[in-house]
Amino acid sequence: QQQVKQSPQSLIVQKGGISIINCAYENTAFDYFPWYQQFPGKGPALLIAIRPDVSEKKEGRFTISFNKSAKQFSLHIMDSQPGDSATYFCAPSWGNMLTFGGGTRLMVKT
Amino acid sequence: GAGVSQTPSNKVTEKGKYVELRCDPISGHTALYWYRQSLGQGPEFLIYFQGTGAADDSGLPNDRFFAVRPEGSVSTLKIQRTERGDSAVYLCASSPENTDTQYFGPGTRLTVL
Repeated sequence: QQQVKQSPQSLIVQKGGISIINCAYENTAFDYFPWYQQFPGKGPALLIAIRPDVSEKKEGRFTISFNKSAKQFSLHIMDSQPGDSATYFCAPSWGNMLTFGGGTRLMVKT
Repeated sequence: GAGVSQTPSNKVTEKGKYVELRCDPISGHTALYWYRQSLGQGPEFLIYFQGTGAADDSGLPNDRFFAVRPEGSVSTLKIQRTERGDSAVYLCASSPENTDTQYFGPGTRLTVL
């Protein structure tokens, strides 16, 4: 997991605000960059993912921004809702092995 | 359709005992993965099966850990001589052929006393 570093470790956002989570990686062989969402007692679930041939991908309120030269990618959650409160993991991969970051615990307050 | 299921959901054992954890992947998924998640951390890769064979077992921490998938569907993770440090949530995931998306089960929480 030292290959992948997430920040911040925890985040508190007001309802309707923007949540931003960052992920920095070292392995230049990574070719798939997903974000997973995990609720307590559940397994992680894919939220959104990007390939390195594009710099941004948007799906509804969720956007990934990818900076290949900086070896970083980020998750933006627009109009954050209390139901978004969960732990988020970046998990870049090459081949078939996901390499998870340490996680970011997001709390959205009403 | 049914997702990935794992049994048992919780397992408490004593140090030195042998345990088996079971994973039922989504029907038709050819790839199966095992990860271990310690408290407050991200999951760590253990082993990956493509069909019946272990394509990558580089994440298994030592020879006390072993996994099988004899018919290319259900998989069992086996841990011998359990240690307190083995306590964690063991997650299983599966994916269809030629896709990167992994679908995770709810995990088995293993506690070694």
